[in-house]
Amino acid sequence: SYELTQPPSVSVSPGHTASITCSGDALGDKYASWYQQKPGRSPVVVIYQQSKRPSGIPERFSGSNSGNTATLTITGTQAIDEADYYCQAWDSSTLHVEFGGGTKLTVL
Amino acid sequence: QVQLQESGPGLVKPSQTLSLTCTVSGGSISSGAYYWSWIRQRPGKGLEWIGYIYYSGSTYYNPSLKSRSTISVDTSKNQFSLKLSSVTAADTAVYYCARFASNWYFDIWGRGTLVTVSS
Repeated sequence: SYELTQPPSVSVSPGHTASITCSGDALGDKYASWYQQKPGRSPVVVIYQQSKRPSGIPERFSGSNSGNTATLTITGTQAIDEADYYCQAWDSSTLHVEFGGGTKLTVL
Repeated sequence: QVQLQESGPGLVKPSQTLSLTCTVSGGSISSGAYYWSWIRQRPGKGLEWIGYIYYSGSTYYNPSLKSRSTISVDTSKNQFSLKLSSVTAADTAVYYCARFASNWYFDIWGRGTLVTVSS
């Protein structure tokens, strides 16, 4: 089965740039999205279709996807960005969805 | 705006069938361009896609859960449902319903409902 791999944790200092990676075979062809989840809350999409940002999501969130790796970048990270982040891919051949294992972002 | 709300028993006995319903409000489940989805999250773990359904009834499932999962839709009630058979403690999770948009991402999520499998 298709797998997406994320680092379990990433730490960043306030005001600095955080990068969270997601790796999978030919991920560049699978329309990666990213979700933020805070404790006790439902996930919220922050990036879809590789690099698009939904309305209401701050400009400091950006995404890129090339080859086998998608990257979520948070520029000027704030304390409120501390959360779990999940990548998600959609396979156009099987119409199946896959989530990465999640990355806990700590802002300290 | 469109909202999703999960409902169903919070406690299910081992070997029984877990049944949940998601009610869609603020929009029609038959509007097209969306797949209506179930996702779960075991305690302290990541998100796991269970499957989704188009309003016409076409379904797609996570291969790891396909043999036990059934997703159905009732357009007259603007609802879709999940049945997961032969549950064990490993099926204890928060179950979310979500809308999968045409740009291949989940744009709207329900609040989630905790289902505990225990005797």
